[in-house]
Amino acid sequence: SQELEQSPQSLIVQEGKNLTINCTSSKTLYGLYWYKQKYGEGLIFLMMLQKGGEEKSHEKITAKLDEKKQQSSLHITASQPSHAGIYLCGADRRNYGQNFVFGPGTRLSVLP
Amino acid sequence: DTEVTQTPKHLVMGMTNKKSLKCEQHMGHRAMYWYKQKAKKPPELMFVYSYEKLSINESVPSRFSPECPNSSLLNLHLHALQPEDSALYLCASSQDPGAGVSVNTEAFFGQGTRLTVV
Repeated sequence: SQELEQSPQSLIVQEGKNLTINCTSSKTLYGLYWYKQKYGEGLIFLMMLQKGGEEKSHEKITAKLDEKKQQSSLHITASQPSHAGIYLCGADRRNYGQNFVFGPGTRLSVLP
Repeated sequence: DTEVTQTPKHLVMGMTNKKSLKCEQHMGHRAMYWYKQKAKKPPELMFVYSYEKLSINESVPSRFSPECPNSSLLNLHLHALQPEDSALYLCASSQDPGAGVSVNTEAFFGQGTRLTVV
């Protein structure tokens, strides 16, 4: 099984609607990253969360970290077609002798 | 300048060809990474360079040969690839946290090179 699970796998919303994407880790989180990827392109860093209860916002995107649940959520308010893409969470795994792992991604489509 | 530049954007090569992927950053980052991403899958780490030295090799076949000629450049030399090596190859850089210390800063990714092996 994946170390990082994301839900939902894919999401189709109408423009203007709010949405939430979740990322759950099977191991203690020491740093959780959110990236966005347009099809076939590089990853765009959105934000990084380090401490339990931390919440960060960038434009209409807000991410929270629940350390106890080993979970992070990404919330988009009033979605726009420009928000469409694949959202990946990533986690620092150096404390486990690995490096960096990504979740499977959530594919977001926003209908105009 | 907060960009990681990868060239070429697209590459088609035969199984007997030798080619190289290039990656460049001018942010003063001392850690650079190669990732491979298959369609509809998350990126998978291949190599990590820290202070121009190879620090991580995730059991990548020898037909992929990384090189870090200086702190701004990272190459991936390709030779005798197989069709299953076709993928998006992503380069990234970050401030080097030092060996054994958690990454506390974001990694910047390039746009990738889409490689097709025929």
